[in-house]
Order: sequence, then C-alpha cells, then structure tokens
Amino acid sequence: SFELTQPPSVSVSPGQTASITCSGDKLGYKYTCWYQQKPGQSPTLVMCEDTQRPSGIPERFSGSTSGNTATLTISGTQAVDEAAYYCQAWDGTTVVFGGGTKLTVL
Amino acid sequence: QLRLQESGPGLVKPSETLSLICSVSGGSTSSNSHIWGWIRQPPGKGLEWIGSIHYGGIIHYNPSLKSRSATSVDTSKNQLSLRLSSVTAADTAVYYCARQEIRVGVTWFDSWGQGTLVTVSS
Repeated sequence: SFELTQPPSVSVSPGQTASITCSGDKLGYKYTCWYQQKPGQSPTLVMCEDTQRPSGIPERFSGSTSGNTATLTISGTQAVDEAAYYCQAWDGTTVVFGGGTKLTVL
Repeated sequence: QLRLQESGPGLVKPSETLSLICSVSGGSTSSNSHIWGWIRQPPGKGLEWIGSIHYGGIIHYNPSLKSRSATSVDTSKNQLSLRLSSVTAADTAVYYCARQEIRVGVTWFDSWGQGTLVTVSS
C-alpha cells in the first residue's frame, strides 16, 4: 500500500490563511479527501475529490493538488477551525489516512 | 437522517477477540450506493482504516490487520459487525463505523458513528 505524510502541526493567526499539506507517492493519480476532528468528536468530511466541498462546509475551506501533494486551505481562519485535520486517499482496495495535522489558531 | 451506533465490550483481555456491532438507522446496509467501513483511533493518535464491506460480499481489509480481522453485514438487522482476534494493548482504540461513498477513483466516509472505546487489558 502507500503512505500519506502530513506535518504534525500548523499554527495560524485568526483571519489569516492556513495551509495543510498531504504528500504521498503517486498521490497525483488519486483523489484526496480531508476530515476535521475536534477533541472528543468523530471526524467530519470537509473536502473530497481534491476540491469538492460537502454541503454545509464553509466556503473558506478549499482544496487543491499539485504533483504528489494535496493541500487543504482555510482562508480567514476562525477559532472554531482549531482541530486535527486528516487527509485520506484510496488506491482501489486500500484506504489510507495521513497521520494528521493539529491546527492551532493563535 | 442516517445514524450509526457502535456497541460492544469496553474491555477485552489480551489474546482474546474483540467483537463490535454497528447499528444503522435512517439508511439501509443493503444500499447499492454505499459500502460500510470500520476505522479506529488509538488514544491521542491518528485514524487507521480497518476494513470495508459491501452487502453483496465484497470486502477489503487493511493489509496490516487482515490476518486478524473479519467484518460482516446483517441486512435483516441493518447491522455491521467487526471481529478482531488475538488482541494486544496496541489494539486499544476508539473504534468507529462509517458509511462509505464510492465513485470512480475515490472513496470517502460521509457519516460516522460516535465511536466506542475498547481497552485491551488483563
């Protein structure tokens, strides 16, 4: 199978833009999805098929991919966005999650 | 509204088998549009996919857990089940069931249960 690598932590000031990356071998040939998880809660899907935002997810969340790196971008980051974020991809049989990135809004 | 609820023993002894049930309401486990997955999260750590199943019998497992994992669907009860054998302390985790959407080249988990903590200890 393959692995997905995320930075353990990202810090951002309120109102600024946060970027969380996810890299993996041949990730450019796969779609990436992203989940937000707040302490004590189940994960919530915030982005999928690289750039598609599920209904109910704020427009400040966007996704992109370049080469073997997918990026989740949060524009105008708010305090409520402080959470762990996980990327996820699929090779047709195996689902893989990244190790997660703790986003801190200072 | 779809709801998933995991249930099972919160404490399992080392070397024994962990058994969990996921009860689905507001949706059908016999849907052709979805499959159903199990994911776990050790305390303070990240998410780990365990396996996924379609009611028609197609099952995929995480290669690292495949030899110890078994999942099934009971459409008459609208339930999923997970069994993980020969558990050790490393299997201590919150276990989630989730509905899984599949499209060409992509899959995602769009609805999750609240999770159940299983501790492996004597």
